Amino acid sequence: AQKVTQAQTEISVVEKEDVTLDCVYETRDTTYYLFWYKQPPSGELVFLIRRNSFDEQNEISGRYSWNFQKSTSSFNFTITASQVVDSAVYFCALSENSGYALNFGKGTSLLVTP
Amino acid sequence: KAGVTQTPRYLIKTRGQQVTLSCSPISGHRSVSWYQQTPGQGLQFLFEYFSETQRNKGNFPGRFSGRQFSNSRSEMNVSTLELGDSALYLCASSFEVSSYEQYFGPGTRLTVT
Repeated sequence: AQKVTQAQTEISVVEKEDVTLDCVYETRDTTYYLFWYKQPPSGELVFLIRRNSFDEQNEISGRYSWNFQKSTSSFNFTITASQVVDSAVYFCALSENSGYALNFGKGTSLLVTP
Repeated sequence: KAGVTQTPRYLIKTRGQQVTLSCSPISGHRSVSWYQQTPGQGLQFLFEYFSETQRNKGNFPGRFSGRQFSNSRSEMNVSTLELGDSALYLCASSFEVSSYEQYFGPGTRLTVT
């Protein structure tokens, strides 16, 4: 069963729009870790954030923000005032205490046009 | 600090052959994980090594194997290549176990003909 679901396959926005990428996860562990990675056209996965299951504080880093809600098993990612350079595939991933390996979602392809 | 390096970057092999891919982690990182990325299956975990020991293995056939050396460098081997093994193989390193931030290399693009 898919442990991480990214329901949005592709999103297209115009520059300066805000965009939210959804991530829903499934786990029975009480200790787990959630990640977001960016994969630009060059192919290399770029680490964006890691959050453990005991820290539900939202985080903001520049134009990026993350909303972690255990009640809905979601870890959504918002880009404010999107830019063309944000165009990439974004992956949400789950690492469970029982296994540690990253379980990736299928990814959301974001296209930001000028 | 240098990032994760993978060699070779591109590889073309024929069905039935075997291949070895190499990964050098970030200096000081002791955990190395390997992932396969294909358009159909997405990113799938292959295995993880920590201090030369395989800690975790994904759901792949025995044709896929790996090892880690004392300097944390890692290799993965695929024997009897099949067309379906064509993929981007990504290596990631982390300081301790893979629940820490994993930093990925640029990948090796393997094409099996």
